[in-house]
Amino acid sequence: EVQLVESGGGVVRPGGSLRLSCAASGFTYDDYGMSWVRQVPGKGLEWVSGVNWNGGKTVYADSVKGRFTISRDNAKSSLYLQMNSLRVEDTALYYCSRAVGDGVYVDYWGQGTLVTVSS
Amino acid sequence: SYVLTQPPSVSVAPGQTARITCGGNNIGGKSVHWYQQKPGQAPVLVVYEDSDRPPGIPERFSGSNSGNTATLTIRRVEAGDEADYYCQVWDSSSDHVVFGGGTKLTVL
Repeated sequence: EVQLVESGGGVVRPGGSLRLSCAASGFTYDDYGMSWVRQVPGKGLEWVSGVNWNGGKTVYADSVKGRFTISRDNAKSSLYLQMNSLRVEDTALYYCSRAVGDGVYVDYWGQGTLVTVSS
Repeated sequence: SYVLTQPPSVSVAPGQTARITCGGNNIGGKSVHWYQQKPGQAPVLVVYEDSDRPPGIPERFSGSNSGNTATLTIRRVEAGDEADYYCQVWDSSSDHVVFGGGTKLTVL
């Protein structure tokens, strides 16, 4: 059974940093690209970032480019999102997701970790 | 950047057919994927690559894509189908994933 478990969310001040983690299990991790998708409570889905199977290719939404860094550790079957210079508008539930075809679509989602940016 | 447009809401009576549209410039030239999200839950993939269904998704769910509109069709709608539905494409020109704004399906 595919499982994606996020952690690392919390409350942070504007301008602060946070690192999200996602532990994957139930599949051959390095066979897949991975993505982060976020959702402001009550609002729609917003793609944040994606990484290919070996970490050699990363892509970012314009809203986070230059502030967020996606990475992965295939030996640990883990995905990360380093978030710097956080803004109030980054407040959202962040989903870890398994990507098909180098990020073309998502076939499995975690349950999400909540990030709140507030002074 | 590529934009996907969905109606905010669609209402249908139980047993009837719901059609949720997703508009985009020449979307027929892209692969469209659809997700269902129930309150308090993570999204679930219900249709991928325009019209394919993942294992476990009922045959009542189907998709089509042509011209400037993709459509998710849910036949014999049940109360349990009430949810938000999102369309999604991959924009090759920007290498970005794009989601539509979502459609709330209400079963009357």
